Amino acid sequence: DSGVTQTPKHLITATGQRVTLRCSPRSGDLSVYWYQQSLDQGLQFLIQYYNGEERAKGNILERFSAQQFPDLHSELNLSSLELGDSALYFCASSPQGWGEQFFGPGTRLTVL
Amino acid sequence: QQQVKQSPQSLIVQKGGISIINCAYENTAFDYFPWYQQFPGKGPALLIAIRPDVSEKKEGRFTISFNKSAKQFSLHIMDSQPGDSATYFCAASSRGSGNTGKLIFGQGTTLQVKP
Repeated sequence: DSGVTQTPKHLITATGQRVTLRCSPRSGDLSVYWYQQSLDQGLQFLIQYYNGEERAKGNILERFSAQQFPDLHSELNLSSLELGDSALYFCASSPQGWGEQFFGPGTRLTVL
Repeated sequence: QQQVKQSPQSLIVQKGGISIINCAYENTAFDYFPWYQQFPGKGPALLIAIRPDVSEKKEGRFTISFNKSAKQFSLHIMDSQPGDSATYFCAASSRGSGNTGKLIFGQGTTLQVKP
């Protein structure tokens, strides 16, 4: 157990809908990262927050947004969902903004 | 230049054998190279990591070998066990000027250890 928690574990929704994925980092970790894992794209970095502020952006679609709250938990919002958004979404945390990252168990999103 | 290339895509090893997975990178700014192990339905778990100031790091049966001039690094699993059967990912990151540690992952290697 990495100490990173993610909810929900599974999410099934329809095209066009909006969902929110939640992540709680390890106690004391200030940085949260979001990654998407799909069969064709592998593990792709989406976005990073550090102590409430956005620090880096990767291949994140404009339909996706995220934020990190004062208690350091983070949410990833996915809107206008398409079939191709079906994937595993992982959150990772690290004590600082670089170095070791510890991954959560992931949220499996299925868009029908 | 941000890519990390991993090989082989899949690997079958007999119990007790040595599993070797290789990765290559282009970006010389990368300064942190971790390996992750992922079981089906689970998140990637940090296995071992190295920084470019050392050429080798060993933790138990797992060893990272790092060749800075060739821009390559590899994972060696000694005395491979059926419980090691999983997907392994190499990754790289650069602290950079923005203090960001976003990981760039290789494509993954599915390891099967036969009893």
